Parts: sequence; structure tokens; C-alpha cells
Amino acid sequence: QKEVEQNSGPLSVPEGAIASLNCTYSDRVSQSFFWYRQYSGKSPELIMSIYSNGDKEDGRFTAQLNKASQYVSLLIRDSQPSDSATYLCAPLDNYGQNFVFGPGTRLSVLP
Amino acid sequence: DAGVTQSPTHLIKTRGQQVTLRCSPKSGHDTVSWYQQALGQGPQFIFQYYEEEERQRGNFPDRFSGHQFPNYSSELNVNALLLGDSALYLCASSSRLARSYEQYFGPGTRLTVT
Repeated sequence: QKEVEQNSGPLSVPEGAIASLNCTYSDRVSQSFFWYRQYSGKSPELIMSIYSNGDKEDGRFTAQLNKASQYVSLLIRDSQPSDSATYLCAPLDNYGQNFVFGPGTRLSVLP
Repeated sequence: DAGVTQSPTHLIKTRGQQVTLRCSPKSGHDTVSWYQQALGQGPQFIFQYYEEEERQRGNFPDRFSGHQFPNYSSELNVNALLLGDSALYLCASSSRLARSYEQYFGPGTRLTVT
């Protein structure tokens, strides 16, 4: 099993809908998670972090963590065309210092 | 408040040559991490510098080396370039002193090896 797995997409949703991005991970990473957004040709931009089981909300974004299932997700409510980007799931490594990035999920929000 | 800066933006080199990439961290940050991102993939961790020493290293050969200066800026050096080294090289800074895990990325350097 790879350390971090994500559906590469593209995931297409209509404008105004909820986009759900999923990530599974192995025991070889820590259980502190970050979500980054990367527009084409640009560098990753930090969206939010989650460390504890449950939900964490920040504006239109909600991160969900289920440690028992080794699963973390990012929900984007009221999706906008400007949300079209690749979303990277990034747990910290077991040393707790650097990220083990997933391959990313490409999201396309259709007007 | 200046963010993370990297230079150069783009670079074209020939196989076998050597390259140096530069990074200045965000103001107040003391730690620099380097990542390599191939097209269509997530970034891969190369190494991290703190207090002018390499603290952690990913699965990259010794051709990849680095340095951190007293002002916290950093360099990434790659020797004997291979075609497979073509990628976006990202620098990320963070604050170990503030015990923050958040890393902020610079704009990257696009390296093309021909």
C-alpha cells in the first residue's frame, strides 16, 4: 500500500455543489494532516490542517478525519469555478517534520 | 511581509551539468524544506535544513545537496544532471522555533534538463 492515496480525478462538479475530496493513508505516516490547493503552473497553497478525529470547518471548507479508517477528506461547499485546481492531501511523516504528499485530485467546477 | 522567494524561476540545463537553486524563507521562519515535483505528481521531499544543518533527508541520491546560511536562506545543488531531474523544485519554509508544522511554499523553480 502506498503511504498516501488519492483519486487522481478529474472530479467534475457543477457550480454551487459540494465537492468531496478523499484521501487514505498507511501506518507509515503520522496522523496530522494538511490540505493544499495547487493551481496549474503554481505552487501549493495551504488551505487547512486537521489533527483530531472529527470535522473542522473553515469558511466553505470542511476537513474530516477518521483515524480508525485511516481516511481524511475535504469538502468544499458552494463550489466556484475558481476552486478548480489540484488538491493535495499531505500528512506529516512519522518524524513529524515534513509532508508525504499524495498524488493530488484534480477538481473541475463547471459554470 | 515578504513570502517565500525562489530564484531563478526557470532554468534549462544539459545532462551532466550542475545547478544551484536558491530560496529565501518567509520572514520569521527558520526552517527550509525542499521538494521535487514531477509533472502530474505530488511533491516529493528532498531534505530539510534547520540551524544550518541538514536535519532530515528523503529518498534522493547524494547528487542532491544543500546548504543553509545564517540568514536562514538556502540553496539546493544538483550535480551530474539527468533527464529525470526535470521537475518543479519547491522550497517551503516553516518555524521550528514556533513549533508550527505549517509549511509555506515559494513559487518554485522549473528545471528542464535536455
